[in-house]
Amino acid sequence: DTAVSQTPKYLVTQMGNDKSIKCEQNLGHDTMYWYKQDSKKFLKIMFSYNNKELIINETVPNRFSPKSPDKAHLNLHINSLELGDSAVYFCASSQGRTGTGNTIYFGEGSWLTVV
Amino acid sequence: AQSVTQLGSHVSVSEGALVLLRCNYSSSVPPYLFWYVQYPNQGLQLLLKYTSAATLVKGINGFEAEFKKSETSFHLTKPSAHMSDAAEYFCAVSDKTSYDKVIFGPGTSLSVIP
Repeated sequence: DTAVSQTPKYLVTQMGNDKSIKCEQNLGHDTMYWYKQDSKKFLKIMFSYNNKELIINETVPNRFSPKSPDKAHLNLHINSLELGDSAVYFCASSQGRTGTGNTIYFGEGSWLTVV
Repeated sequence: AQSVTQLGSHVSVSEGALVLLRCNYSSSVPPYLFWYVQYPNQGLQLLLKYTSAATLVKGINGFEAEFKKSETSFHLTKPSAHMSDAAEYFCAVSDKTSYDKVIFGPGTSLSVIP
């Protein structure tokens, strides 16, 4: 069983479209994240949820909207996609806050290409 | 605020040679330090982490790292490189002031030459 699973793995879409990426974790963790990895492999946190509550909301355009229906799921919806949104988006989870040294477990990534 | 630097965006070693990937961190309080590996087209996988127990940390696949507070370093080593070690390696830091923000370094791409 995959611990953190996200779908779709690959997504090619046109500018201006709206798309969603879904994420589920079966580790029983209470904290989930979205990270963005750009073409230079640089990883940056976008959002963090703890027990369905938004904890971190980095300076991300408000076209990006996360939704956490329960502790095991964290979806990412993106409106009006732009070329610059092309990246790999990673969902991740941890048990508790990472400020206490807890490990983050990553999904396999969703490769988004905007054309 | 925490930060991580990784010296060398690309490192090449011969198969069987020592692997040394460098990581230096900045943190105003005792840090938690991580090394993750990313194989092509995959997610990140934890190799090892330091959480203030032993300063020499052993991880998976024969990797280990040593926490040196005086040098603010957490370099990753492996005595003998294998072809399957070719991947991207990320050092990361968090601490009790960071909430849920784990700060990742820019990554080092490791190539293994047969």
